[in-house]
Amino acid sequence: AQKITQTQPGMFVQEKEAVTLDCTYDTSDPSYGLFWYKQPSSGEMIFLIYQGSYDQQNATEGRYSLNFQKARKSANLVISASQLGDSAMYFCAMREGNTNAGKSTFGDGTTLTVKP
Amino acid sequence: SAVISQKPSRDICQRGTSLTIQCQVDSQVTMMFWYRQQPGQSLTLIATANQGSEATYESGFVIDKFPISRPNLTFSTLTVSNMSPEDSSIYLCSVDKSGGLTDTQYFGPGTRLTVL
Repeated sequence: AQKITQTQPGMFVQEKEAVTLDCTYDTSDPSYGLFWYKQPSSGEMIFLIYQGSYDQQNATEGRYSLNFQKARKSANLVISASQLGDSAMYFCAMREGNTNAGKSTFGDGTTLTVKP
Repeated sequence: SAVISQKPSRDICQRGTSLTIQCQVDSQVTMMFWYRQQPGQSLTLIATANQGSEATYESGFVIDKFPISRPNLTFSTLTVSNMSPEDSSIYLCSVDKSGGLTDTQYFGPGTRLTVL
């Protein structure tokens, strides 16, 4: 089974609106970290936001927030007030603390297009 | 975070030749990883670069094809040997600065390789 599932290959959003990118994960390790990265067409992987499995509150970083629902094993990224520069590929990833030797597992990505 | 540089940023190579990619970090880091991202795909881990010892390769990747060096805690190289067009990818260096197995991994800007 895939450890990270991103079910939306492509998403469109109107400029200035909010958008949610879905991510579900699968692990039996109680200690893990969840991440979102943005990859523009230049190819660079830009770290956006982190959520630890023991964190009580949802992570927020500026316009980015992570809707962490532990029981449902979901870690959706919410981008508020979308900007044209948000158009990129977005990857959800996980690192497990006790298994997999700290290696990250990535989802297949979601291509976000922001329309003017 | 960590400041990571990669050289070269891009290259076009002939089949059968080899290319060495360098990754330099601005501070000592515990873990360094090399990823490959084929066109339109997600990231695939090639190997974990271990300081002072042989790299740990993932299934499907072998040392003869992707030799890796890590002479110190701030530098690593990945060589893509005997290249074929199927090796055309973005190659990304990634680091874990803290050593915490669930902490954030940061990525270099990537090396975009085209093999003719």
